[in-house]
Amino acid sequence: GQQVQQSPASLVLQEGENAELQCNFSTSLNSMQWFYQRPEGSLVSLFYNPSGTKQSGRLTSTTVIKERRSSLHISSSQITDSGTYLCAMESRGSALGRLHFGAGTQLIVIP
Amino acid sequence: NAGVIQTPRHKVTGKGQEATLWCEPISGHSAVFWYRQTIVQGLEFLTYFRNQAPIDDSGMPKERFSAQMPNQSHSTLKIQSTQPQDSAVYLCASSHPGTGEDTQYFGPGTRLLVL
Repeated sequence: GQQVQQSPASLVLQEGENAELQCNFSTSLNSMQWFYQRPEGSLVSLFYNPSGTKQSGRLTSTTVIKERRSSLHISSSQITDSGTYLCAMESRGSALGRLHFGAGTQLIVIP
Repeated sequence: NAGVIQTPRHKVTGKGQEATLWCEPISGHSAVFWYRQTIVQGLEFLTYFRNQAPIDDSGMPKERFSAQMPNQSHSTLKIQSTQPQDSAVYLCASSHPGTGEDTQYFGPGTRLLVL
């Protein structure tokens, strides 16, 4: 079954609005990463966050292990934030190392 | 630091031909991963090396796909007798396990089109 579920699938914001992207996982977590995928396809690592809260500029990631969820908060969105956001988890146990990706949230920020 | 390097960036092959994709990990990184991305399946794990040794190839199609890491500075993914369903973006990533933050850094990908 699908181990990582992301929501929403797509989101349209007006510039300046905030966004909350969710990632839920069904197995025990070893680590969680959030990525931004540029329109041309390259993946940029945003956070490595196995637990707790991390912030970088306008981005905040929070992972709550016992609730099996992680979120990415984007504050004061900008047009350049448009693109696809992917979460990926590394499971504990025999599958250590490999990342399981969610299907992504496509974000469009309009003026 | 040039990041993870992948070549070629684009490759077009005819059905039945062979395709070899190259990846150069970030210098000093001991783990190398291969993934592929399609519209239908999303991003899927293929295989993983650590210190050049194959660790997990559970995502690799059993026929036609093979991966090697002959030295610490490059890995190859070879697809024999390519089929149209192999068309995808193939992504390579590297990481430095054991540092407490095992972030995987991705290359720009190789876009493979099989006609």
